[in-house]
Amino acid sequence: DAKTTQPNSMESNEEEPVHLPCNHSTISGTDYIHWYRQLPSQGPEYVIHGLTSNVNNRMASLAIAEDRKSSTLILHRATLRDAAVYYCILGREGAQKLVFGQGTRLTINP
Amino acid sequence: DGGITQSPKYLFRKEGQNVTLSCEQNLNHDAMYWYRQDPGQGLRLIYYSQIVNDFQKGDIAEGYSVSREKKESFPLTVTSAQKNPTAFYLCASIRAGWGHGYTFGSGTRLTVV
Repeated sequence: DAKTTQPNSMESNEEEPVHLPCNHSTISGTDYIHWYRQLPSQGPEYVIHGLTSNVNNRMASLAIAEDRKSSTLILHRATLRDAAVYYCILGREGAQKLVFGQGTRLTINP
Repeated sequence: DGGITQSPKYLFRKEGQNVTLSCEQNLNHDAMYWYRQDPGQGLRLIYYSQIVNDFQKGDIAEGYSVSREKKESFPLTVTSAQKNPTAFYLCASIRAGWGHGYTFGSGTRLTVV
């Protein structure tokens, strides 16, 4: 399984944008890039996913590098409720399973 | 609303006992998964099933067993062979194809007493 590398922790301020980086230098052509987030004592929540083009939804934006070896999850205006562990994961077409790393613990300061 | 229901939310087990964790989904999803999470750690895959009556071992299947007799249900049994079962257990499901994301349940916290 292709691996991802994320910073262990990041900190930001409320109402400011947050850019969460993810490196995936061994990504293959059929790997989708998924992002999930997890609040304490809860199951992970799907945030966004993409293959090649940048993606936007009501929660966040996903910016994918042209060579696909890295991506960035963008929270446009952080709130205290965005404080969570964020996981960047590669999903290989046909493999039907996701491998979770340690993720990035995001702290939002009021 | 559709979703995944895990029960119970908290479970206490005596050493040497088998316990079964329930996972039910009404999303009509094809694939279902069980993950284990230890404090401060990421999720590790125990078992997964892509169709009824078929399942595959994940990375840490020893000491666990599953069944998939119905599309909606994927129970996990933690057997006495699992030496360190205290953990947070998460069930997830996904529709076929990678154009979709996982849906997770709210988890079961198992403690050995």
